[in-house]
Amino acid sequence: DAGVIQSPRHEVTEMGQEVTLRCKPISGHNSLFWYRQTMMRGLELLIYFNNNVPIDDSGMPEDRFSAKMPNASFSTLKIQPSEPRDSAVYFCASSSSGGVEQFFGPGTRLTVL
Amino acid sequence: EDQVTQSPEALRLQEGESSSLNCSYTVSGLRGLFWYRQDPGKGPEFLFTLYSAGEEKEKERLKATLTKKESFLHITAPKPEDSATYLCAVQANTGRRALTFGSGTRLQVQP
Repeated sequence: DAGVIQSPRHEVTEMGQEVTLRCKPISGHNSLFWYRQTMMRGLELLIYFNNNVPIDDSGMPEDRFSAKMPNASFSTLKIQPSEPRDSAVYFCASSSSGGVEQFFGPGTRLTVL
Repeated sequence: EDQVTQSPEALRLQEGESSSLNCSYTVSGLRGLFWYRQDPGKGPEFLFTLYSAGEEKEKERLKATLTKKESFLHITAPKPEDSATYLCAVQANTGRRALTFGSGTRLQVQP
């Protein structure tokens, strides 16, 4: 079975540019989570969706960040405009209905110059 | 606010030298405590879920235990391939499904 799929795996961009990260959750999972990992703050939740609806976006740092889940098999995290402090590894995770375990994708390493 | 503290930050073992990693937590009602393994450049890999004090789970050389305030990940006779960062996380029973992670323990097992 395919796990969580993320693209791109690496992204290098310049300050001020728009960045879009993509995620395909595990088939059949109805909850999707976006996390960010940095050396300073570790892994932190940005937002999560249940049945394609955003439930908790309290971790989204500011209005420059937005996330969508147009259907059960696809989600995007967009940063516009990007800043150097956004450099981090962004992970997507999914979970099944009623399940507590979250399964992570390989991550997207974002570097903003 | 939920908090997770892991110790030690880093641990170096010789192959076959057993040890334990610690995860101390405070949470407003525990729904689950999770252990993940993370290799460099990869996403966290799920290992165990523990739900209540006294519970134990085992997988190969790893055994996770849980008390009301902390969890231990015991590594018995480790091998070099067990080298990784081990992350502990908690989920509160408030209905909020976010995981609160600790900063991890970097384990290096030398042959």
